[in-house]
Amino acid sequence: SQKIEQNSEALNIQEGKTATLTCNYTNYSPAYLQWYRQDPGRGPVFLLLIRENEKEKRKERLKVTFDTTLKQSLFHITASQPADSATYLCALPGTGRRALTFGSGTRLQVQP
Amino acid sequence: KAGVTQTPRYLIKTRGQQVTLSCSPISGHRSVSWYQQTPGQGLQFLFEYFSETQRNKGNFPGRFSGRQFSNSRSEMNVSTLELGDSALYLCASSLGQGLLGEQYFGPGTRLTVT
Repeated sequence: SQKIEQNSEALNIQEGKTATLTCNYTNYSPAYLQWYRQDPGRGPVFLLLIRENEKEKRKERLKVTFDTTLKQSLFHITASQPADSATYLCALPGTGRRALTFGSGTRLQVQP
Repeated sequence: KAGVTQTPRYLIKTRGQQVTLSCSPISGHRSVSWYQQTPGQGLQFLFEYFSETQRNKGNFPGRFSGRQFSNSRSEMNVSTLELGDSALYLCASSLGQGLLGEQYFGPGTRLTVT
């Protein structure tokens, strides 16, 4: 069955450093992959979408890579700030492509 | 543009009751998806509607149902509530053209079943 894995342990880093989060998937051949940010008690916020034919995508301090051979996406936040502290979720199209399947998310804590 | 709105924001119900949640998508968005979020199971897809038609349904029992109106607003109904239905229910809207692209989520409805 389709499976998405994100590191369930929180990632703690110092302000100014680069945060790297991992999303691994199995039994998928997704046409694209998405990343979302979620703050406690709020709905997820869309960040980036990367298609299967794109190796890398950037938006301001965010960078996403997509390796369809390794079945892995890496999400980078450069020059991290305490305001970046949140849970980050990756998502892939699910069965029939009319649904999104989300990973369990990785909580990022940026220390000042 | 106004974002996705959900009502009510908080709800407390008793086992066996039923509940209806409402979602208004971003103007111009024709696709509305519903998700259930719990600490144990994470964010799980319930169903998706486009132009008043359910296009996909997740692995949830028939107690969970939904519908979409001609103005794209959507409602979700849960009948015969169980304690395990306590969760944050999120709806998300998107343009709905082609593949299901980026989702714009509402703030959610926090349902507590006692």
